[in-house]
Amino acid sequence: NAGVTQTPKFQVLKTGQSMTLQCAQDMNHEYMSWYRQDPGMGLRLIHYSVGAGITDQGEVPNGYNVSRSTTEDFPLRLLSAAPSQTSVYFCASSYRTGANQPQHFGDGTRLSIL
Amino acid sequence: LAKTTQPISMDSYEGQEVNITCSHNNIATNDYITWYQQFPSQGPRFIIQGYKTKVTNEVASLFIPADRKSSTLSLPRVSLSDTAVYYCLVGGEAGNQFYFGTGTSLTVIP
Repeated sequence: NAGVTQTPKFQVLKTGQSMTLQCAQDMNHEYMSWYRQDPGMGLRLIHYSVGAGITDQGEVPNGYNVSRSTTEDFPLRLLSAAPSQTSVYFCASSYRTGANQPQHFGDGTRLSIL
Repeated sequence: LAKTTQPISMDSYEGQEVNITCSHNNIATNDYITWYQQFPSQGPRFIIQGYKTKVTNEVASLFIPADRKSSTLSLPRVSLSDTAVYYCLVGGEAGNQFYFGTGTSLTVIP
């Protein structure tokens, strides 16, 4: 099993560019989510999905879009990159919703916006 | 969802037992306590979960007092490879948003 796979691992963008961070899981997990991690801020939830076709906003959703057309994939889109979006992004999944469900994380995408 | 409070950082020498405490005063009846470990340049990984009393696995032990308002993650005889950030997460089956907080950064010293 590959688990949770994130691509790319590193990316540098210019302000105003758009891009999509990819996340795929092969565990047939119902719940998927995106976090950003900044120094001293811990993990902050951007968006999450409780199943195909269902998404919702987390703590810091502004500037990001998501979609969930399949159970396996949950891409995160930056529409117009800003320097404040420089961060490490983690995708996670779990069998179903609930904080008691073990979350499986990818290894992250390190994004720099110039 | 219950918020948690952990020490920001801890240092320990190799071979010592390390105890990291998490406070969760407003834990709900159906909430579980889950700990994650994050190595540098990696995503967090689940290490242990409990509801009450004590849970032990090959990685750590988790101690939960009767009032469940706090919990302690215990790492026996730490090595340099245990240097990581440890997160305490509290919640149950309900809810879709989870608060990981800033975690505890453990540094193991040779």
